[in-house]
Amino acid sequence: IAGITQAPTSQILAAGRRMTLRCTQDMRHNAMYWYRQDLGLGLRLIHYSNTAGTTGKGEVPDGYSVSRANTDDFPLTLASAVPSQTSVYFCASSPGTSSYNEQFFGPGTRLTVL
Amino acid sequence: GQNIDQPTEMTATEGAIVQINCTYQTSGFNGLFWYQQHAGEAPTFLSYNVLDGLEEKGRFSSFLSRSKGYSYLLLKELQMKDSASYLCAVIEGDYKLSFGAGTTVTVRA
Repeated sequence: IAGITQAPTSQILAAGRRMTLRCTQDMRHNAMYWYRQDLGLGLRLIHYSNTAGTTGKGEVPDGYSVSRANTDDFPLTLASAVPSQTSVYFCASSPGTSSYNEQFFGPGTRLTVL
Repeated sequence: GQNIDQPTEMTATEGAIVQINCTYQTSGFNGLFWYQQHAGEAPTFLSYNVLDGLEEKGRFSSFLSRSKGYSYLLLKELQMKDSASYLCAVIEGDYKLSFGAGTTVTVRA
């Protein structure tokens, strides 16, 4: 693994199903983030984690949950998917939470909820 | 909350210069990033400004005026590969990034 990876690359999901998007980084970064990107709206923060064992809500957290059991992994779960959750999801990480907070992004997961 | 505005689209000719403006109103300010995102790919870091002034990095430069809540990204000697979306992002007081909707730049031959 080099950098930050996400799985799956894409997924078509029936409404009401549960889905977990996976994110793993090997850079030993403390902070990790989940964004969704929709046309015309840009990247919006769903949840974040400043360090292993802690999580926080972003701008659009409803319908999503996260966990941070260790430094490397930050899965995002949709408990019961709805069509409005159709989007491209990006996971990102950064070394810390200082003002210089360059984030490194994974390749994204394209999710379609029907 | 945050309000970050940038133009939706810009078109320029290969070899030309393009300036992408970004204005912001945020609750706290700890710096501003510019990211580049090619279609279907992840955003990648271009520049970071926290002090007023111009930061130059090769063909790309970024300017910040904190008092005016204004930044711009300057792309010089445009190449076809510069066709992409350019995202302005502000670090707010809680050290989280807030993104603008992005500016799609199309470079024509």
